[in-house]
Amino acid sequence: QKEVEQDPGPLSVPEGAIVSLNCTYSNSAFQYFMWYRQYSRKGPELLMYTYSSGNKEDGRFTAQVDKSSKYISLFIRDSQPSDSATYLCAVDSNYQLIWGAGTKLIIKP
Amino acid sequence: EPEVTQTPSHQVTQMGQEVILRCVPISNHLYFYWYRQILGQKVEFLVSFYNNEISEKSEIFDDQFSVERPDGSNFTLKIRSTKLEDSAMYFCASSLQQVGNQPQHFGDGTRLSIL
Repeated sequence: QKEVEQDPGPLSVPEGAIVSLNCTYSNSAFQYFMWYRQYSRKGPELLMYTYSSGNKEDGRFTAQVDKSSKYISLFIRDSQPSDSATYLCAVDSNYQLIWGAGTKLIIKP
Repeated sequence: EPEVTQTPSHQVTQMGQEVILRCVPISNHLYFYWYRQILGQKVEFLVSFYNNEISEKSEIFDDQFSVERPDGSNFTLKIRSTKLEDSAMYFCASSLQQVGNQPQHFGDGTRLSIL
């Protein structure tokens, strides 16, 4: 059973659009959820870090966790070409992170 | 902003040779991790390390792997007898506390190519 599922994309949207990125997970015991951004040939960069259910906002980014449906989302408002990257969701499981496959996002100018 | 640094950025090694990947975690962090990412696949956990001991390791982290914190700043991953399937990006991460209380911060990785 795959623990974290994420559509690899690519997802291509025009500049200025609202982007919605999503993951599902299988284990209801997970409590900490993260979104990382990864540019080509770089390491994962932490974007958002949330605990349990609810929303968390940071500038143009909003992370949302729905524990009842085991669904996590990242919204990017006013998307920019510089947001083009791979976005990875991850969940905490006993001192290690379990990762989604990553969604490749392309923002077209 | 403090960052995790990894060296070398790219390592090419003959199969069967030993390789050491190096990491300098963020200075006040206490927990250290290694992950790998085979091309086109998910990031996979290898090992976590705290207080000079392995806290957790995955099935991937078998006897050919070892980790060490030889001094107050470096954290190393050694692969004793490399195989072709060890070719991957290896990421080091550190956190102030264990995952769940503080998030992990990653270096830019070492690309390991086994010939």
